[in-house]
Parts: sequence; structure tokens; C-alpha cells
Amino acid sequence: DIVMTQSPDSLAVSLGERATINCKSSQNVLYTSDNKNYLAWYQQKPGQPPKLLLYWASTREPGVPDRFSGSGSGTDFTLTISSLQAEDVAVYYCQQYYSTLRTFGQGTKLEIK
Amino acid sequence: QVQLVQSGAEVKKPGASVKVSCKASGYTFTSYYMHWVRQAPGQGLEWMGIINPSGGSTTYAQKFQGRVTMTRDTSTSTVYMELSSLRSEDTAVYYCARDSSPWLQLPGYYLDYWGQGTLVTASS
Repeated sequence: DIVMTQSPDSLAVSLGERATINCKSSQNVLYTSDNKNYLAWYQQKPGQPPKLLLYWASTREPGVPDRFSGSGSGTDFTLTISSLQAEDVAVYYCQQYYSTLRTFGQGTKLEIK
Repeated sequence: QVQLVQSGAEVKKPGASVKVSCKASGYTFTSYYMHWVRQAPGQGLEWMGIINPSGGSTTYAQKFQGRVTMTRDTSTSTVYMELSSLRSEDTAVYYCARDSSPWLQLPGYYLDYWGQGTLVTASS
């Protein structure tokens, strides 16, 4: 199985500051046939199901604020929140869909400093 | 609009089985794979498996092989996840989630819609 490792496990950022979460996969998730990275990011708030934020590593789901952005390719990926808002407090997960056997990162808990 | 509505909370004794349902609406049920993901209290997301609602074929995570069965009923647009031989470690919220790919070709794509979750408690 592809192992997804996020860093850090938790993060405290001041309102209006940048938050950066990293995700590393144990193998390449870039399909050469379509040149797409099969990597998604989800946000989960307490008591709610996960919400899709980004897919193909950097494409925002409609309705997701543009302060959320994704980058990276191959095995190393980053989720960036450019200016943290109070409503962004949540746990963030990366997930690969390169393999039918899906795997998630362990999650990164984002809090306000 | 796409909706996935799951069945209610369950309490089961260790060794028993539980069957959770997920009723889909707002799209063509047989055109999109469905996944099951679980989350133990205070823990992360764990992928359990995928079902093709059209043909009924399934792929399960190795961890759950032999204990999980995913089925579907196309007449009611409902998928089911049954987990047997429950142990305390199976206490979790179980989610169904739709695969976003309309092509019904594995590996599929990202998960775009999620059910509200079903809490399953395995306790004596």
C-alpha cells in the first residue's frame, strides 16, 4: 500500500498568517498517461464528515476560498492557507487515489495561536 | 443535488455483525463507485473498500478482508457495508463517500460527496 505521511501532526498559526501542511507519499502518485497527480486534500471539522478541498493536487473544489492552495508533484505535496481565518480551524488530510487501495495521511490539526 | 443519507447509530456486542446503509440520490447511482471510510474516536480516516454499484464488484483493504462485505441494491440506490466479528476496536464512525469519476474504471478519482456518518459502538 502507498503510505501517506503528513507533517506536522499539529500546527498553531496566528490569524491572518500563512499555514503550511506537508504530505509525502511512499511512491509516486503522478500518472504519466495524463500527467496528473492523484492527490486530494480534505478538511474535517469536529462532528462533521470530511470536506473535499483540493484534487489533482492543486485544483480547488468549487466554493473553496482561494486562500487555500495546493502544490507539489510526484511524492511531495503542500497545502497552503495564505491568510488563516478562524473558520479554518480543523484537521486536514491528504489522500492518494493513484491506487485503488486508497490511503490517507494521519491528519494535521490546525489551531489558532 | 447529490445526497448520501446513512442509517442510524448502532450498538453491538463483540462478536456480532453490523450492517450500515447509505442511500444515494441526486445522481445516477450506477455510474459512480462508492467507498467506505471509518474513523475511530479521536483518530484519523481509514479507507475500508470500494464497490461498483453497477456490477457489484468490490475491492477491500487487506485489513478488513474476510470480515467486511459491501453490497448494493440498485432498485433503492442504496449501498451497504456489513462488518462481522466486531471487536471493541471497531467502534468508529463509518462514512460512505462517492467517487467522483463517472467512468467506472479503477482506480477512480477523489471523494466528492460524503454521508453524514454512522456511529457503530462495539461494547459488552
